[in-house]
Amino acid sequence: GQQVMQIPQYQHVQEGEDFTTYCNSSTTLSNIQWYKQRPGGHPVFLIQLVKSGEVKKQKRLTFQFGEAKKNSSLHITATQTTDVGTYFCAASYGNNRLAFGKGNQVVVIP
Amino acid sequence: NAGVTQTPKFQVLKTGQSMTLQCAQDMNHEYMSWYRQDPGMGLRLIHYSVGAGITDQGEVPNGYNVSRSTTEDFPLRLLSAAPSQTSVYFCASSSLGDITDTQYFGPGTRLTVL
Repeated sequence: GQQVMQIPQYQHVQEGEDFTTYCNSSTTLSNIQWYKQRPGGHPVFLIQLVKSGEVKKQKRLTFQFGEAKKNSSLHITATQTTDVGTYFCAASYGNNRLAFGKGNQVVVIP
Repeated sequence: NAGVTQTPKFQVLKTGQSMTLQCAQDMNHEYMSWYRQDPGMGLRLIHYSVGAGITDQGEVPNGYNVSRSTTEDFPLRLLSAAPSQTSVYFCASSSLGDITDTQYFGPGTRLTVL
């Protein structure tokens, strides 16, 4: 089936530093969604990107959708302990199914 | 609004037993789906439904059945539990009849099959 690849799978980030997580597909995506899952919790929707080259910001989080609609990134600045968790991207290939990446588990070092 | 609710929260089964995981939403959402989450594997789609009376298979449907008799409920049935079905199961819903919308997840059911 369709797949989205997320890199890296794990990150240890010093509190106050920035980090980026990436999501890549070999085929063109209809849209891409990002979710965050806290340890022991359930995925929570962060944002959806639809347009080629789209950039959206939510406070310290910046989301980008590539020009070719085959990749996306999430950049977090000034990491806080509340940013701990696993970040998933999820892609729709236009077939009523959402394919999730394996996630990027982020550990924040105080 | 309770959102998406799932019962039970935890369950232990013996190999060969059957059971139903319950999922309900009170947001009048058309689209509902079931995922399983295993360590390092992300979320894999089991079955989904775009409305009452309509269901379809996802990526990993074997060993599971679903039905959608009402808009609110979307139960997942394990026919004959196997240790490979030990996982965390999430139900999700979204307002449109397709996938291009925010997915609201339930709290999950943690299933262990011995």
